[in-house]
Amino acid sequence: QLQLQESGPGLVKPSETLSLTCTVSGGSISSSSYYWGWIRQPPGKGLEWIGSIYYSGSTYYNPSLKSRVTISVDTSKNQFSLKLSSVTAADTAVYYCARKGGGVINRNWFDPWGQGTLVTVSS
Amino acid sequence: QSVLTQPPSVSAAPGQKVTISCSGSSSNIGNNYVSWYQQLPGTAPKLLIYDNNKRPSGIPDRFSGSKSGTSATLGITGLQTGDEADYYCGTWDSSLSVLFGGGTKLTVL
Repeated sequence: QLQLQESGPGLVKPSETLSLTCTVSGGSISSSSYYWGWIRQPPGKGLEWIGSIYYSGSTYYNPSLKSRVTISVDTSKNQFSLKLSSVTAADTAVYYCARKGGGVINRNWFDPWGQGTLVTVSS
Repeated sequence: QSVLTQPPSVSAAPGQKVTISCSGSSSNIGNNYVSWYQQLPGTAPKLLIYDNNKRPSGIPDRFSGSKSGTSATLGITGLQTGDEADYYCGTWDSSLSVLFGGGTKLTVL
């Protein structure tokens, strides 16, 4: 079955760029039916959508993070990636990648999710 | 403070039924589909309901979803101790963003 796995540094210094990769296995990231997304969860808090990408490279981002976020896709590796610049302690969170269903931009559900990776922003 | 409002906690006894509400506006729930997620302690969220009331394969029919106007509701019948988790609603908003509710902690007494 489809599985997603996040990878990347667990510790990032303030003002630097957070970089994570999500590897998709058991299916193709180039499926025309799905987008792929990043969601984060600060410790003890709720979920926050970061952004989503189509295999063609089309993206849409959370307006509150848009100026700092870049999501890209590498279909040859079946991976998509997240870059978040100028991080602060407020960006400390578990970062999840997930497949977005629903097709159109305003119809969103996420399934399955990766196990998540904790990224701590600290000097 | 989330735009989608959920009760912080709900509780019920094993075997009973519980409902979790998610309140929004015409900018989000009122004109878009709602999904629901279950997050067991220490694990990633899991999709329970999509398109307001559809269950993915493998989700038991004890879980149900509904939507009326600018509010959505998740229902769970035949409560089990294994249902203790945080539950989140999600939808699209006209601000061009996916939104999640603040989450509801379910305790099975």
